Parts: sequence; structure tokens; C-alpha cells
Amino acid sequence: GENVEQHPSTLSVQEGDSAVIKCTYSDSASNYFPWYKQELGKRPQLIIDIRSNVGEKKDQRIAVTLNKTAKHFSLHITETQPEDSAVYFCAATYGNNRLAFGKGNQVVVIP
Amino acid sequence: EAQVTQNPRYLITVTGKKLTVTCSQNMNHEYMSWYRQDPGLGLRQIYYSMNVEVTDKGDVPEGYKVSRKEKRNFPLILESPSPNQTSLYFCASSLRPSTEAFFGQGTRLTVV
Repeated sequence: GENVEQHPSTLSVQEGDSAVIKCTYSDSASNYFPWYKQELGKRPQLIIDIRSNVGEKKDQRIAVTLNKTAKHFSLHITETQPEDSAVYFCAATYGNNRLAFGKGNQVVVIP
Repeated sequence: EAQVTQNPRYLITVTGKKLTVTCSQNMNHEYMSWYRQDPGLGLRQIYYSMNVEVTDKGDVPEGYKVSRKEKRNFPLILESPSPNQTSLYFCASSLRPSTEAFFGQGTRLTVV
């Protein structure tokens, strides 16, 4: 099956700085790559996604970049704010009907 | 309001006592999944369903059953729960695996 790995497992940033989380995947046929944010005690919610025919996508302070050759994609958060503190999960589709999640990254924004 | 509803939110049960966690969605989604979330292990897929009467095993199906008799409902059944099934469970639905997944509120299960 698909192997999705996230690095680093924990990331601490000063408020206002940028945060970058990287995910690698193993299945070269994967074509959909979402990022989910899970605040403490809440359910995961989609924050941004990218498809394999696109290299970069941006939505206000968040962006995702995809490198299909290297099989990795990254989440970029600029001008971090305390409400960005959460666990972030990347995921990748595989086998036409599966979605595999990474283990999650804890992001802590220090005021 | 578009939503995925799980019940119960919290459940403490004893080893071997059959239980069912319900999941219902009102978005007419075809694809539904169950995940368990454990510290350091992320979200692991238990079972998924492509449509009514179509279900398949995910990565950690042992000890679980599911059914999909109606499009909106996808219950998770633990026939004989064991302590290693103590976890946080999420149901999710989407049009397809490659579209946004909407998660339920989660069910915190403790098996003693």
C-alpha cells in the first residue's frame, strides 16, 4: 500500500514566522494530495489540496507545492498566528479507491 | 447543514460486549470510511465503502465489521471488543476518495 511520511513530527515557530511541513509518498500513481488540520479535541478539516497536474496552489496564508519527480509535497504557512497551532495531516490517494494519511505534524506557534 | 454525525461521542465498555458506532451523512456521498486515531500513528483506515453494499478492508480491519445497506449510513461494529481497540474513531464521507473528506465528531472508545 501507499506509504506517506511527514517531517518533522513537531515544529515550533515564532508567531509571524513561516512554517513548512514536508510529506513524501511512495506510489507514483497517486494523483490527489490533501492537507487536513486538526485542532485539539476537534475533527480533521481540509485546509488545502492539490492534484497531480498542478505544481503549486495558494489560499491566503497557506500554500501547497508538489514535486512529482521526487514524490513529495509540502505545506507552507506564512505569517503564522496562534490559531495555526494544531496537528496537520497530509494524505495521498492510491489504488483508485484509497486515501492514506501520514502520522501528523504538531505545529506550535509561540506568541 | 451538510454534516457527518457519529454516535456515541464517548463510550466505555467491557471486553467482549458487542457494540456499534453509528455514522450518518446527509451529503449524498458515495465514499465513506472509518479511521482510528492513536497517538503517534496518525489516521489509519479500518474499512471503506465505495457505495451501497460495496465495502472493503482498510489497513487495520481486524476485529471490526461494517455494513452499507443505505447510502447515508455506515455503522462500525465491534463484535467482541478488546482493550487494544481503545482509540478515537472517526467516520468520514466524500464524493470520491480524491475529493474533500468530511469527518464526524469522533467517538472516544475505551474498552476495559
